[in-house]
Amino acid sequence: GQQVMQIPQYQHVQEGEDFTTYCNSSTTLSNIQWYKQRPGGHPVFLIQLVKSGEVKKQKRLTFQFGEAKKNSSLHITATQTTDVGTYFCAGPRNTDKLIFGTGTRLQVFP
Amino acid sequence: DTEVTQTPKHLVMGMTNKKSLKCEQHMGHRAMYWYKQKAKKPPELMFVYSYEKLSINESVPSRFSPECPNSSLLNLHLHALQPEDSALYLCASSQVSGTPEEKLFFGSGTQLSVL
Repeated sequence: GQQVMQIPQYQHVQEGEDFTTYCNSSTTLSNIQWYKQRPGGHPVFLIQLVKSGEVKKQKRLTFQFGEAKKNSSLHITATQTTDVGTYFCAGPRNTDKLIFGTGTRLQVFP
Repeated sequence: DTEVTQTPKHLVMGMTNKKSLKCEQHMGHRAMYWYKQKAKKPPELMFVYSYEKLSINESVPSRFSPECPNSSLLNLHLHALQPEDSALYLCASSQVSGTPEEKLFFGSGTQLSVL
C-alpha cells in the first residue's frame, strides 16, 4: 500500500546548527502537509504545499515540495531548543485519507 | 476559539471496563477524527465523521465505538479493551468535509493505559 517515509528517523544537533528532514511517498501526492509534535504534546499544523516545486518559508523554516510531487523537505536554519520535537509530513492516501509519515525526531542540545 | 478539547487527559482501565473518551470543538468544523498514536510512531487514522455521519472506519475492532452526537462533539466508547490498545488517542477536526486537503486541528489527547 501507499507509504510515506521520512529520513532520518532521529537526529540530534547542537543549537545553531541546521537540520533537514526528508519525506518520500511511493505515489504522487496532491498536496503535502507538515506537523510538529513537541514531546508530550499533540501534532500542530505547520504548513501545506500544493504546487509542484513549491517553496515556502516560515522564519527559520523552509519547506519544499518536489517537482514530481512525491517528496518534500523541511529545513530549519540555526536550530534553537524550541525546535525540539517530532516533525511529521502527511499526504493524502487515495483521495480520502491523510496519512502521516514515519516522523523525524529532532533533539537540540544547548 | 481554535481549540479542540479532549477529556480525560489520562485514563487507566481494566480489560472488563467500559469507558468513554470525549472531544469538543467550537470552531464550526464539520469533520472530526479519531487517531491512535503509539509511542514514537505516527498517528494512525481510526474514524472520520463528516457532517455528523461516519465516513471512514479504518477497520477498527468493534471494542472501539465512535459516536458523533452533534457537529461539536465526538465520543469514543471503549469496551473490553486489550493491553495492546494502550496508546495516546487524539481527536482532530477540520473545516469542511474531511478531505485530505484540509489541515487538522488536534486536541491534546487522552493517554490510555489498559491493564
